[in-house]
Parts: sequence; structure tokens; C-alpha cells
Amino acid sequence: GENVEQHPSTLSVQEGDSAVIKCTYSDSASNYFPWYKQELGKRPQLIIDIRSNVGEKKDQRIAVTLNKTAKHFSLHITETQPEDSAVYFCAASRFTGANSKLTFGKGITLSVRP
Amino acid sequence: SQTIHQWPATLVQPVGSPLSLECTVEGTSNPNLYWYRQAAGRGLQLLFYSVGIGQISSEVPQNLSASRPQDRQFILSSKKLLLSDSGFYLCAWTPQTFSGLLIGYEQYFGPGTRLTVT
Repeated sequence: GENVEQHPSTLSVQEGDSAVIKCTYSDSASNYFPWYKQELGKRPQLIIDIRSNVGEKKDQRIAVTLNKTAKHFSLHITETQPEDSAVYFCAASRFTGANSKLTFGKGITLSVRP
Repeated sequence: SQTIHQWPATLVQPVGSPLSLECTVEGTSNPNLYWYRQAAGRGLQLLFYSVGIGQISSEVPQNLSASRPQDRQFILSSKKLLLSDSGFYLCAWTPQTFSGLLIGYEQYFGPGTRLTVT
């Protein structure tokens, strides 16, 4: 089955700097890659996703890049703010219609220092 | 728009007691539904998923069970809780599609139930 790994497990950046979180996956047939943000005590929220037919997607301060050859995808956050502090989960899925499931990484704790 | 509800929001139960958590989705039909558990400070563990009424797939062996009695209702149950069942239980849904042009889907989480087994 699919295996998704996230590195590093924690990341601390200065407010205003950029943060990059990387994930690797094992199943070359995976074709959907979402990122979730989870604040303390709350539900994971989908913040951005990318499908295997594109290499990059951007939404304001966040972007995701996908390298299918190397089987990794990354979340880029620019101009970080204290409210970006949270746990970020990446996931991968091989869409097969009704039985599609997401495989999640273990999460990365991002701390933005004011 | 679609909305997902879970209840109760918090629950404290003694070891050996039964459990019933409920999840309902509004504003959509025939969704895929999922139950996840998140232990404190840990990742998301998929427990069960369902593609239709009465159709349940189990991901990990445990003392939990799931049922889907109605299209938009998903229930997580246990006959006897263990200490290790403590955690944050999240229900999630995705739209079900068979379009050959769609190669992915978005999964949305409910607010969760925080269960403490004492």
C-alpha cells in the first residue's frame, strides 16, 4: 500500500520568512495530493491540493509543487505569520472511484516566531 | 452547501462501557464516509470507510465497529471501551463520483469527538 512520509517533524521559522515542508510517497500510481492544517484542538482543514496532471498550484501565500519522478511534493508558505503555526499533514491517494482513500503523513509542527 | 456534524463533542467514559458516536452530513447525497482516530499529538489513523448504506470497510482490527444505517449517517460503536480507545475521533466525507475526467477528490472533516476513557 501507499506510504507517506513527512520531513522534518518540526519546523521553526521567524515571522516573515518562508517555510517549506516536504512529503514523499511510495505509490507511483497516486494522483491526488492534499495538504491539511490542524490547529490545536480543532479539525484538520484542507488548505490546498494538487493533482498529478499539474506540477504546481498557488493560492495567495501558499503553494504546492509536485515532482512525480522523485515521488515527492512540497508545501511552500511565504511571508509566514504567527497564525500559520499549526500541524500540517500531507496525504496521497490513488483515485479509483468509489474506493479511494487518503494515506496521511504523520504531520509536521510549524512554529512561527513573532 | 455541505455540512458535517458530529456528536457528542466530548465524552468521558469508564473502561468497559459501550460507545456510540454519530456523524451526519447535510447537503449532499451518496457521499463516501470515513472514521479516523487521532491519539494525542499523533497522526490520523483511518478506522473505517463506507461507500454506501450498509457497506463498511475496516482498516485496522480493534474492538470498534461502524455502521451506516442511512445514506448520510455514519456511526462508530464499541461494546466495551479500552483505555487505548481514548483519542480524537474525526468523521470525514468526500463526494462520490465515477467521472472518468476526475482524478482526485477533496475530503472534509467534521468537528470531532474527544473521547477520554478512564
